[in-house]
Amino acid sequence: KAGVTQTPRYLIKTRGQQVTLSCSPISGHRSVSWYQQTPGQGLQFLFEYFSETQRNKGNFPGRFSGRQFSNSRSEMNVSTLELGDSALYLCASSLGQARGVNTEAFFGQGTRLTVV
Amino acid sequence: AQSVTQLGSHVSVSEGALVLLRCNYSSSVPPYLFWYVQYPNQGLQLLLKYTTGATLVKGINGFEAEFKKSETSFHLTKPSAHMSDAAEYFCAVSPLSGGYNKLIFGAGTRLAVHP
Repeated sequence: KAGVTQTPRYLIKTRGQQVTLSCSPISGHRSVSWYQQTPGQGLQFLFEYFSETQRNKGNFPGRFSGRQFSNSRSEMNVSTLELGDSALYLCASSLGQARGVNTEAFFGQGTRLTVV
Repeated sequence: AQSVTQLGSHVSVSEGALVLLRCNYSSSVPPYLFWYVQYPNQGLQLLLKYTTGATLVKGINGFEAEFKKSETSFHLTKPSAHMSDAAEYFCAVSPLSGGYNKLIFGAGTRLAVHP
């Protein structure tokens, strides 16, 4: 069974540009969550999608957005990039049916974004 | 708001020694609790989880954790450290109300294992 796939693995962008990151969840998983990991702030929840609907959102500015497609693949977009957006962005997938054991999240290897 | 505190950002042990990584959570209602491990340039791998039932939870690679409601703790232990255990460990909680698959992480503890 294939794991969570994130593309690309590494990305370098310039301030002011926008970027799109992709996440393919484990087959059968309908929930996709995104996290930002930085040395200063640690792991922070960005948002969660379930069946193409955003179900939960963290405390990030509107420059951070996402979407989920009918095949459960998800994309995350960051517009008007700032130096502080440099981070490892992690995607996690889970069955996501309801609270309970299905909340086990499987993480991808992440996309390392560097903003210069 | 719920939070997770991991005591000690760095822990160093000798190979074969006991590993103890501490985690405390703040919540009036016990949430679901998790321990994840992260190796360099990798994502997070689930070590173990507590949802309900037995308070001593066994995970992969010989790790276990005990949920203590009275102490709001979920410390991770391993009787004998191996060099391959060197990594960063994260304790996380999943809120019971409205949290669905949202995880709140602690700051992490970097474990070093020396010969």
